[in-house]
Amino acid sequence: EVQLVESGGGLVQPGGSLRLSCAASGFTFSSYWMHWVRQAPGKGLVWVSRINSDGSSTSYADSVKGRFTISRDNAKNTLYLQMNSLRAEDTAVYYCARVGGSGYRGASDYWGQGTLVTVSS
Amino acid sequence: QPVLTQSSSASASLGSSVKLTCTLSSGHSSYIIAWHQQQPGKAPRYLMKLEGSGSYNKGSGVPDRFSGSSSGADRYLTISNLQSEDEADYYCETWDSNTLLFGGGTKLTVL
Repeated sequence: EVQLVESGGGLVQPGGSLRLSCAASGFTFSSYWMHWVRQAPGKGLVWVSRINSDGSSTSYADSVKGRFTISRDNAKNTLYLQMNSLRAEDTAVYYCARVGGSGYRGASDYWGQGTLVTVSS
Repeated sequence: QPVLTQSSSASASLGSSVKLTCTLSSGHSSYIIAWHQQQPGKAPRYLMKLEGSGSYNKGSGVPDRFSGSSSGADRYLTISNLQSEDEADYYCETWDSNTLLFGGGTKLTVL
């Protein structure tokens, strides 16, 4: 059974940092591209970042470029999102999702349960 | 890059059918999309991948009541025999080499 379990969320002050983790199991993690997607309270889904299967290629939404870094450890079956210079508008539930196709060409076919990040003083 | 447009809300009666629409922006009518369901307080759940031809592949465990179809730039999700648990937000998704995009979501109310 495919499972994605996020952790690392919490309350952080503006300008602070947080690292999210997504532990994967039930599939060959090193073969799949992965996304981070976020959802602000009462709002829709917004893509944050994507990483290829070996971690050599990444892409980011303009809103987080230069502040967030996506990475992965295939030996530990874990995806990460390092978030720096956090702003109030980064407050959201953060989901990791697996890309279900070849390379980037696929739907987000499995989602984690999400972890809440709250940026507030 | 494409833009996905969804109606903000829809409603239908218990036991009836409803057809939700996701429209791709001009010049992107050939794109494959996916449909996701998000029940209140839960994570999104993948429903299906839907091609411009109308061919679709559903995720594991998705009931037969869910089906997809296409016409031009429009991608449809049809839910038959509506159940109370189908009351949820429904998002369409597509992708290109640089990004992942979502529609604004349709909130479905089951009357």
